This record gives sequence, structure tokens and C-alpha cells, in this order.
Amino acid sequence: DVKVTQSSRYLVKRTGEKVFLECVQDMDHENMFWYRQDPGLGLRLIYFSYDVKMKEKGDIPEGYSVSREKKERFSLILESASTNQTSMYLCASSLASGGSQPQHFGDGTRLSIL
Amino acid sequence: ILNVEQSPQSLHVQEGDSTNFTCSFPSSNFYALHWYRWETAKSPEALFVMTLNGDEKKKGRISATLNTKEGYSYLYIKGSQPEDSATYLCAPYEGTNAGKSTFGDGTTLTVKP
Repeated sequence: DVKVTQSSRYLVKRTGEKVFLECVQDMDHENMFWYRQDPGLGLRLIYFSYDVKMKEKGDIPEGYSVSREKKERFSLILESASTNQTSMYLCASSLASGGSQPQHFGDGTRLSIL
Repeated sequence: ILNVEQSPQSLHVQEGDSTNFTCSFPSSNFYALHWYRWETAKSPEALFVMTLNGDEKKKGRISATLNTKEGYSYLYIKGSQPEDSATYLCAPYEGTNAGKSTFGDGTTLTVKP
């Protein structure tokens, strides 16, 4: 069965800290995505990657960076955490099929920045 | 960014009621549309992938239709049950950028017993 694993369900960090959110998939998917979800705003794409070491900015990349050194792992980095980055973060992956394959999601990380 | 609209934003129905919601998207450059169900405390799960104008997909009591010429898709739930309570997301895909879709804000359905 398909599995996308996010490293933490809940995380509390302080303003100014560098924060790493990790995501691992076991399906050999080419595409991986990071989203944030805030009340009333749906899923907003932060970054995505279509291959190892390849990345593209999504709709709200400011304040974030990503790393994809291995196919199965996609990391989201908050360079200097701020309170407005308190949110639910979701990782997803999909096959490189030009959009006809659905995304598979992790359980999410609820991040609080104090 | 694609302009994707879902309506209504929320819906409260009684158990046994049938219901439907709408996803509207730009009809130009359409390639595929995905529907997801997102239950509280779980991760979104894929319901349907739709690609052809006039497509109709069904999974149990849930079905969906697609009109690519006018840019909308309907999701229907027949005889709603409390376990259908969830947020339903649609995500059209334009055929560019390696599978990157734009998600609508979702319709949150609450089914009262």
C-alpha cells in the first residue's frame, strides 16, 4: 500500500529557529509536493519537485526552501521561523504521469511557532 | 494560478439526504480533474480522476460528472451517512508542471444522524 510519512504530527518551535520538516514516500514516485493548509484557505502549494535535486516554486514559497537529495525524501525548511508560519503542513507524492495520477498525502504536521 | 471555485463552502444535511456540490475551473488548457475527500484527523484521499468531457465516475454512493467545455464538475452523494462528513476538494490540472494541480478551497459536508 502507498505510504507517505511525515516525521512529526505536532511540532512546536520558536521564532527565528531553523525548522526542518521531513517527508518520505515508499512508492518510487517522481513528484513530491509541500502544501500548507490554513482555515478557510484550502491547500496552498509551497514547493514541488519532479526529480531528484529538481525543485519548482509553488504559489507561496517565501520564507521556505526545500531539499531533494534522494528520490524518496523531500524536506521543507523554514530558514527563520516566524509566527505567520504556524500552520498545518502536508506532504504529497505522485507518479510522473502528466497529471492523470492522483497525489498521495501524508498525515500532516501541525507546526506552531511561538 | 488557476482560479478554482468550489460551492457551497459548507453544507449541513440530515442522514439520508442526497446532496451535491460544484467545482468550477477555467475550461481552457484542461487536462484532468481530481476529487479528494479529507476527513478530520486524516490525510486527503483520492476519490476520482476525470479526464474526458462527459465523464461520469462512481464509487458506492458517491458519483461525479465532468463538463470540460463549460468548466465544471459536480460531486453527488446519494443517501448521505455520518461517515460521509468530510471536506471534499477538487483539483484541476492543466497539463503542465509535472503533475502540479491547483486545489479549490473545498466543500465541508456535515451529515447529522
